[in-house]
Amino acid sequence: QSVLTQPPSASGTPGQRVTISCSGSNSNIGTNTVNWYQKVPGTAPKLLIHSNNQRPSGVPDRFSGSKSDTSASLAISGLQSEDEADYYCAALDDSLNGLVLFGGGTKLTVL
Amino acid sequence: EVQLVQSGAEVKKPGESLKISCQGSEYRFTSYWIAWVRQMPGKGLECVGLIFPADSDTIYSPSFQGQVTVSVDKSTSTAYLQWSSLKASDTAMYYCARRMEGAFDVWGQGTRVTVSS
Repeated sequence: QSVLTQPPSASGTPGQRVTISCSGSNSNIGTNTVNWYQKVPGTAPKLLIHSNNQRPSGVPDRFSGSKSDTSASLAISGLQSEDEADYYCAALDDSLNGLVLFGGGTKLTVL
Repeated sequence: EVQLVQSGAEVKKPGESLKISCQGSEYRFTSYWIAWVRQMPGKGLECVGLIFPADSDTIYSPSFQGQVTVSVDKSTSTAYLQWSSLKASDTAMYYCARRMEGAFDVWGQGTRVTVSS
């Protein structure tokens, strides 16, 4: 069981906006930045959002992140079929000597 | 281009040992933590452990402490993940990743490990 809690699934139709939540605690999200990864089956994970809300070069601005207290969210606007993937939040945990924790993952389906 | 290139797929029997690798290129290998991440079939991502190549400082997940060993060879810019006695439950895809400012920004292509009698 992951310490960072995500909904197991989410869905939307093309063009819609969807959000994925990630809930943690004071030792992880509460004191450290949150990162989001996109995982397409058969490929390596890809960094989507770092430092709570920063997009690496090449990531479309349809993807955005936010953090408040011990929770974080990933928002995807203008949903596209290619966005169908698993999404994971992650954060360092101070109670685990700086180990990185991942959320359980959210499978996004584009209907 | 910054890259992490992992060794190929492995098929082993329970009780056997294994060492998989992750070679970095086009960046200062000793300056960034390298993490190993496991994905079991149909499951999510789990951080196995991390190593700082400059001084081999390591952090292990409590779930993996004592089960695996993370090491590094600075001379070849290569990180390793090894098992002394594999179990069927070690069957998974293993990724290495570079940690930059808290995030895993570069990932290896993954090494599939299958443990079966």
